[in-house]
Amino acid sequence: EVQLVESGGGLVQPGGSLRLSCAASGFTFSSYEMNWVRQAPGKGLEWVSYISSSGSTIYYADSVKGRFTISRDNAKNSLYLQMNSLRAEDTAVYYCTRVDILTGYPIDYWGQGTLVTVSS
Amino acid sequence: DIQMTQSPSSLSASVGDRVTITCRASQSISSYLNWYQQKPGKAPKLLIYAASSLQSGVPSRFSGSGSGTDFTLTISSLQPEDFATYYCQQSYSTPRITFGPGTKVDIK
Repeated sequence: EVQLVESGGGLVQPGGSLRLSCAASGFTFSSYEMNWVRQAPGKGLEWVSYISSSGSTIYYADSVKGRFTISRDNAKNSLYLQMNSLRAEDTAVYYCTRVDILTGYPIDYWGQGTLVTVSS
Repeated sequence: DIQMTQSPSSLSASVGDRVTITCRASQSISSYLNWYQQKPGKAPKLLIYAASSLQSGVPSRFSGSGSGTDFTLTISSLQPEDFATYYCQQSYSTPRITFGPGTKVDIK
């Protein structure tokens, strides 16, 4: 069974930092492209960042570029999101997601999400 | 960026109703269109991929159609467990994917 389990969320002050982790199991993690997607309270879904299966290709949404860093450790079956210079508008549930490259790149699995709250 | 719109933004329906949700892309995305269902407090769940392919385990009352810029999600006979918010998402410009704003389906 595919499982994605996020951790690391919490309350942080504006300007602070947080590192999210996602533990993957039930599939060959090193073969899959991964994304972080977020959802502000009561709002829709927003793509945040992408990393290729090897980690060699990375993309960010303009809203987080220069502040967030995505990475992965295929030996540990783990995905990460380092978030710096956090702003109130970064408050959201952050989902770790898997991309299915064989069927037109839908997100076929989502973690349960971890809540990040940026507030003083 | 490719912009996605959905209509309606919300609808009220009864169990057994046929429900149709529309999604439009700001440019042609071929068939790179996916649909998700999200219930309160839960992660989204993939229903339809590549515009019309049913994800494994999803009931056959869900169907998708369309190509280019206009797409439709249809629920043939609404069930109590289908009350949720539905999002479309384009994967044409992957990895820079974008989502529609969502359509909330609630009980009439």
